[in-house]
Amino acid sequence: DQQVKQNSPSLSVQEGRISILNCDYTNSMFDYFLWYKKYPAEGPTFLISISSIKDKNEDGRFTVFLNKSAKHLSLHIVPSQPGDSAVYFCAAAPNAGGTSYGKLTFGQGTILTVHP
Amino acid sequence: DSGVTQTPKHLITATGQRVTLRCSPRSGDLSVYWYQQSLDQGLQFLIQYYNGEERAKGNILERFSAQQFPDLHSELNLSSLELGDSALYFCASSARGGERIYNEQFFGPGTRLTVL
Repeated sequence: DQQVKQNSPSLSVQEGRISILNCDYTNSMFDYFLWYKKYPAEGPTFLISISSIKDKNEDGRFTVFLNKSAKHLSLHIVPSQPGDSAVYFCAAAPNAGGTSYGKLTFGQGTILTVHP
Repeated sequence: DSGVTQTPKHLITATGQRVTLRCSPRSGDLSVYWYQQSLDQGLQFLIQYYNGEERAKGNILERFSAQQFPDLHSELNLSSLELGDSALYFCASSARGGERIYNEQFFGPGTRLTVL
């Protein structure tokens, strides 16, 4: 039972354009969401997060949007750069009585390729 | 560099054997998390320790065990190894116990385990 799904295994974008990575979740208990980027032979690197009390969070070129009613979040990268080429994972954490225990549930990842 | 270190980087062993993976969290981080990434699966949460105590448990096999020591480093012990245990094992740390707003986890580079 995959509670966090990234339905696009890969995405190819031209440099300078927008990259949009999507993620869907099924568990209503999730209320904190994170995006990680992973290069080969390295561990995932935290990018940006969003709490369920918000619908948007922005950090430089990266913006995460959350649609709670649709149980959907997306990561926008504008403008995309070749160095952004990596695997992107979305992850979700549950709300457990006010403290969210550390169990992150990850999606399968989307391979982003940004062409020069 | 996330500040999380893992040793060894690579481990090759035979079925039935026992191995120990080691993780040192970022300086000051109290929580350590272990994840498994198999070829056909995404990152799967195994277990979390907070300041020496087990905090959350995922789908960790009974053949696997972990502990966190007083100096906050952690070890993941895998015994009676099977071919299917071949995977990347990541350790992550976070500042606190997983409270919602501090849920960003910082990952180490991983240990690649190959069971022959």
